[in-house]
Amino acid sequence: DSGVTQTPKHLITATGQRVTLRCSPRSGDLSVYWYQQSLDQGLQFLIQYYNGEERAKGNILERFSAQQFPDLHSELNLSSLELGDSALYFCASSVFGGKETQYFGPGTRLLVL
Amino acid sequence: DAKTTQPPSMDCAEGRAANLPCNHSTISGNEYVYWYRQIHSQGPQYIIHGLKNNETNEMASLIITEDRKSSTLILPHATLRDTAVYYCIVRDGGSQGNLIFGKGTKLSVKP
Repeated sequence: DSGVTQTPKHLITATGQRVTLRCSPRSGDLSVYWYQQSLDQGLQFLIQYYNGEERAKGNILERFSAQQFPDLHSELNLSSLELGDSALYFCASSVFGGKETQYFGPGTRLLVL
Repeated sequence: DAKTTQPPSMDCAEGRAANLPCNHSTISGNEYVYWYRQIHSQGPQYIIHGLKNNETNEMASLIITEDRKSSTLILPHATLRDTAVYYCIVRDGGSQGNLIFGKGTKLSVKP
């Protein structure tokens, strides 16, 4: 158990819908990362937050957004969902968001029908 | 793009040492070598990391060549539960911390 929690574990929805994925980092960690893993693209970095502020962006679509709240939990919002958004979404956390080790949560499996 | 090259797959007999190679010929002086693994579709699990010296922890050993252009992850006594995809990642020591995953090595531990 990494100490990072993610909810829900599974999510099934329809095209065009909007969903919210939630992540709680390890106790004491200030930085949260979101990654997407699809069959054809592998694990890809989406976005990073540090202490409530966006720090880095990766291959995140404009339909996707994220935020980190004062209690340090984070939410990833996916809107206007397409079939291709079906994937595993992982959250990771680290203490400061630099070179220290990241610890991953168990992921949310999203299926868009 | 990932800065590492790993074999796509390897087999290992249960109880034997698993030696997973990684080439990172363009690594620079302040870049670390990290290893993670992913068992089935679970979240990636941190294994070990190093800069120049060899490292050992309760899970594995990491051997980095003197020129730092390659490394080997060693699982000393592989078990069936070690079957996973192993990712070798070269990581900048700077302020941006995101990981860049390649395709990794699929290790199959066989009885």
